Amino acid sequence: DIVLTQSPALAVSLGQRATISCKTNQNVDYYGNSYMHWYQQKPGQQPKLLIYLASNLASGIPARFSGRGSGTDFTLTIDPVEADDTATYYCQQSRNLTWTFGGGTKLELK
Amino acid sequence: EVQLQQSGPELRRPGSSVKLSCKASGYSITDYLMHWVKHRPEHGLEWIGWIDPEDGETKYAQKFQSKATLTADTSSNTAYMQLSSLTSEDTATYFCARMYTTDTGYFDYWGQGVMVTVSS
Repeated sequence: DIVLTQSPALAVSLGQRATISCKTNQNVDYYGNSYMHWYQQKPGQQPKLLIYLASNLASGIPARFSGRGSGTDFTLTIDPVEADDTATYYCQQSRNLTWTFGGGTKLELK
Repeated sequence: EVQLQQSGPELRRPGSSVKLSCKASGYSITDYLMHWVKHRPEHGLEWIGWIDPEDGETKYAQKFQSKATLTADTSSNTAYMQLSSLTSEDTATYFCARMYTTDTGYFDYWGQGVMVTVSS
C-alpha cells in the first residue's frame, strides 16, 4: 500500500500563509499526472474536495487554496488564512486505482 | 444538483451487523463508482472499497475484505454497505463518496455521513 504522511497539526496566524505537507512512500505520478488530492473536513461534516491531481482547484474553492508537488512530495497552501479555514486537511492518493489517505493535519489559529 | 443522502445513526450490539444506505440524486449511480470511507477522529479517514453499480463489481481494501459488503440497487439509485461481526473498532462515521472518474480517482461528492455505534 502507498502510505501518506502528514504532520498532525499546524498553527498559523490569521492573514498568514499555511503550508501543509504530504509525503508518500511511493511515486504517485503516472503519464504526466500526479494522483494526489486534498480535502478539508470540519467537525461533524463530510470532507470537501479542495484540490485534485495535485494542483487543480476544485469548483467553488477560493483561490486562496493552492496545491503543488510531484512524485512523493506535495503541499497544500492556504494564503491568506481566514478564521473559517480551521479544519483538518487530508491528502489522498489514487495511483494504480488504490486509495489511501494521509493521517490529516489539523489547522489551528495562533 | 448532485446529492448523496445517507441513512440515520445506528446503535448495534457487538457481533451483530448493520446495513447502511446512500441514496443518490441528481445523477444515475450507474455512471460513477461509489466508494465508502470510514472516519474515526483519532484514526483519520480509511478507504473501505468501491462498487460499480452498473455491474456490481466490487473492490475492497484488504483490511475490510471480510468486514464490509457493498451492493447497489439501480432501481432506487441507492448504494449500500453492510458491516458484519461488529466490534467496538467499527464505531465510526461512514461516508459514501462518488468518484469522479477512474482516470482521476478523486471524490467529488460525499454523503453527510452516518454514525455507527457498537456497544453492549
